[in-house]
Amino acid sequence: DSGVTQTPKHLITATGQRVTLRCSPRSGDLSVYWYQQSLDQGLQFLIQYYNGEERAKGNILERFSAQQFPDLHSELNLSSLELGDSALYFCASSLTAYSNQPQHFGDGTRLSIL
Amino acid sequence: GNSVTQMEGPVTLSEEAFLTINCTYTATGYPSLFWYVQYPGEGLQLLLKATKADDKGSNKGFEATYRKETTSFHLEKGSVQVSDSAVYFCALGGVNTGTASKLTFGTGTRLQVTL
Repeated sequence: DSGVTQTPKHLITATGQRVTLRCSPRSGDLSVYWYQQSLDQGLQFLIQYYNGEERAKGNILERFSAQQFPDLHSELNLSSLELGDSALYFCASSLTAYSNQPQHFGDGTRLSIL
Repeated sequence: GNSVTQMEGPVTLSEEAFLTINCTYTATGYPSLFWYVQYPGEGLQLLLKATKADDKGSNKGFEATYRKETTSFHLEKGSVQVSDSAVYFCALGGVNTGTASKLTFGTGTRLQVTL
């Protein structure tokens, strides 16, 4: 058990809809990361937050947004969903934002768009 | 930009065989390097890490040495078990401490160990 909790585990919805994925980091970790895993793109970094502030952006679509709350949990919002958004979305956390810190991953949310 | 190249899978081995999964990277400076393992239906688990040249990371019988001269971080295990069957990812951390620390992943190598 990594200590990172993601909910829900599975999400099935239709095109055009909006969903929210939730992540609780390991106790004491200040940095949260979101990644997308798909068969064609592999594991892609989406966005990082550190202590409530956005720290880095990767290949995140404009239809996607995220935030980190004062209690350090994070939410990833996906809107105007398309079939191609079907993927496994992982949250990870680390103690600090330093690059030599390992990231600890949750079990992911599997998003299926019908 | 940063990139990671892993050997193509799947890799199929008999139990107790020697394992090598090749990983090379492209980056400026001195990035941290990681190996993660993903078992079916689960998230990624940190297997081992190395933060500077010539460091050797090790865990559960797996080892990898940070080779700056060859920009490589190959994963090895002397005797694999059926329970090692999983997908292994090589990952590159940020090149400077204190900056954003996203991970850049390789494509993953699926290992299947048979009896």
